[in-house]
Amino acid sequence: DAGVTQSPTHLIKTRGQQVTLRCSPKSGHDTVSWYQQALGQGPQFIFQYYEEEERQRGNFPDRFSGHQFPNYSSELNVNALLLGDSALYLCASSPGQGGRETQYFGPGTRLLVL
Amino acid sequence: DAKTTQPPSMDCAEGRAANLPCNHSTISGNEYVYWYRQIHSQGPQYIIHGLKNNETNEMASLIITEDRKSSTLILPHATLRDTAVYYCIVRVSNTGNQFYFGTGTSLTVIP
Repeated sequence: DAGVTQSPTHLIKTRGQQVTLRCSPKSGHDTVSWYQQALGQGPQFIFQYYEEEERQRGNFPDRFSGHQFPNYSSELNVNALLLGDSALYLCASSPGQGGRETQYFGPGTRLLVL
Repeated sequence: DAKTTQPPSMDCAEGRAANLPCNHSTISGNEYVYWYRQIHSQGPQYIIHGLKNNETNEMASLIITEDRKSSTLILPHATLRDTAVYYCIVRVSNTGNQFYFGTGTSLTVIP
């Protein structure tokens, strides 16, 4: 049983560019959450997707957007990249939206903005 | 949102029990306490969670005080592979399934 997978593992972009990160949830999970983790900090919640809609959002600007596909996989898009967007981006999946279920995290995508 | 307070770092001798404390004095009655750990830039790994009663699984034990204002994660026989950052999280039930992470406790297991 594959766990949460993310691609790519590493990415280098320049300021102003756009980036798309991908996540495949754990088998049987239909809810995907995205987190940003800056160096030395704990993960910060970006947003959560369920039934192909954004259900909850953290304190992140509109430059951060996402999508969920019918197979429950998800993308995170970041436009107009800033140096401060350099971070580890984590995807977590869980079964059931808004419930009390445990989230399982993927290995993350390391984004460096130059 | 309920906040947690953890010591920034701890050491533990290999083979001994590691006891990691967490204060969550503003926790509400229906909020769970979760523990995750993160080994050097990997994704956080789920360890255990609980509401009121003490919990045990193959990885660890979770002791929650009767007033629920604090908890302790116990790794019974720490190994070098347990060196990681440990996060204590209180899930805010009225905002769904998101987790609020703090900065955690950096545990170093010493040979």
